[in-house]
Amino acid sequence: NAGVTQTPKFRILKIGQSMTLQCTQDMNHNYMYWYRQDPGMGLKLIYYSVGAGITDKGEVPNGYNVSRSTTEDFPLRLELAAPSQTSVYFCASSYGSFNYGYTFGSGTRLTVV
Amino acid sequence: GQQVMQIPQYQHVQEGEDFTTYCNSSTTLSNIQWYKQRPGGHPVFLIQLVKSGEVKKQKRLTFQFGEAKKNSSLHITATQTTDVGTYFCAGPYSGAGSYQLTFGKGTKLSVIP
Repeated sequence: NAGVTQTPKFRILKIGQSMTLQCTQDMNHNYMYWYRQDPGMGLKLIYYSVGAGITDKGEVPNGYNVSRSTTEDFPLRLELAAPSQTSVYFCASSYGSFNYGYTFGSGTRLTVV
Repeated sequence: GQQVMQIPQYQHVQEGEDFTTYCNSSTTLSNIQWYKQRPGGHPVFLIQLVKSGEVKKQKRLTFQFGEAKKNSSLHITATQTTDVGTYFCAGPYSGAGSYQLTFGKGTKLSVIP
């Protein structure tokens, strides 16, 4: 069982470039999430999805977009990258909402220069 | 909105000493979760507490949920170097009509051999 798989693990972007962070899970979880983690700041929710075709904004959605065409995949799109988006990005999934434990991917470390 | 505060932010202990981290919420929580993140790793779900006054144990780790369901603690007995990492608590956050997990900023534990 692979769990939650994120690619790439590392990426350096130039200001203004765009990229897509990939996330896929093989646990048949309906709920999926994108978090960003800045040093000493914990985890901030960017976007989440409660099922295929349904997405919603989290606490810090500006500068990001998501889609959920299948149960397995939940890509995060960065348009016009800015230095403030330098962070570690974690994708997570869960069987249900906040009353079920989350399974996290190994993360993508993104630097915008 | 509800905030989850964790103290202390950092803790350095000698191997074999005990360690405790505290989590406090401004509002009553339906449940609280604890995660551990090793250096350079991703958060890993440890446990969920649901009932008022609940106490759960995992080997040397003891988790408590306060009677008022507004605070929680994680206690590690006789720390080992394998306990090194950041411990996060997380509780449901209400925003834009739905509840999602909000993470505390974490307590970073260092164990001196």
